Amino acid sequence: QVQLVESGGGLVKPGGSLRLSCVASGFTFSDYYMSWIRQAPGKGLEWVSYISSSGSTIYYADSVKGRFTISRDNAKNSLYLQMNSLRGEDTAVYYCARDYGGSLGNWGQGTLVTVSS
Amino acid sequence: DIQMTQSPSSLSASVGDRVTITCRASQGISNSLAWFQQKPGKAPKLLLYAASRLESGVPSRFSGSESGTDYTLTISSLQPEDFATYYCQQYYSTPRITFGPGTKVDIK
Repeated sequence: QVQLVESGGGLVKPGGSLRLSCVASGFTFSDYYMSWIRQAPGKGLEWVSYISSSGSTIYYADSVKGRFTISRDNAKNSLYLQMNSLRGEDTAVYYCARDYGGSLGNWGQGTLVTVSS
Repeated sequence: DIQMTQSPSSLSASVGDRVTITCRASQGISNSLAWFQQKPGKAPKLLLYAASRLESGVPSRFSGSESGTDYTLTISSLQPEDFATYYCQQYYSTPRITFGPGTKVDIK
């Protein structure tokens, strides 16, 4: 069955960096677009970034553009999110999701990123 | 960006009740709408896509409909496991998708 497992979250100081990973299994990873979605504590869902199946097309939300970098390694069935210049408002659970034309049918369990001094 | 609003923001209902949640898009989205259910501490779960198509494995008591820029999620007979928060999501402007603010359904 489809499985997505995120890792890499943790506590980081403002201005710091963190790299999230998402390992996929149960499907042909290289055939699918992928997205990162985040959810601040007690808040709603916010789309963060998208990457095409080959990695050639990438989009970011304005709130993270210039600070976050999405990438993928299809040989390792892995998706990444490099997060730099972190701010308090980046505190959230970060989910990776399999993107099928915008419909997000499969999500990971999420990894918590806390930005605090 | 396409803005999504939901109403109500919360509701209290009893097991067996019929529950309706409405989502409105700031512009036409041509049925490019999904509904998610989220329970505390869990990832969102896709219930419906294309406004009214049931995701595999989702009970048939969940249904969706569309009227212009308004989209409705209906739970025909609320079950104990349905108490959760529900989000709509437009993917008309994919990959720049947007979510509604959520509707929390709790026990009356």
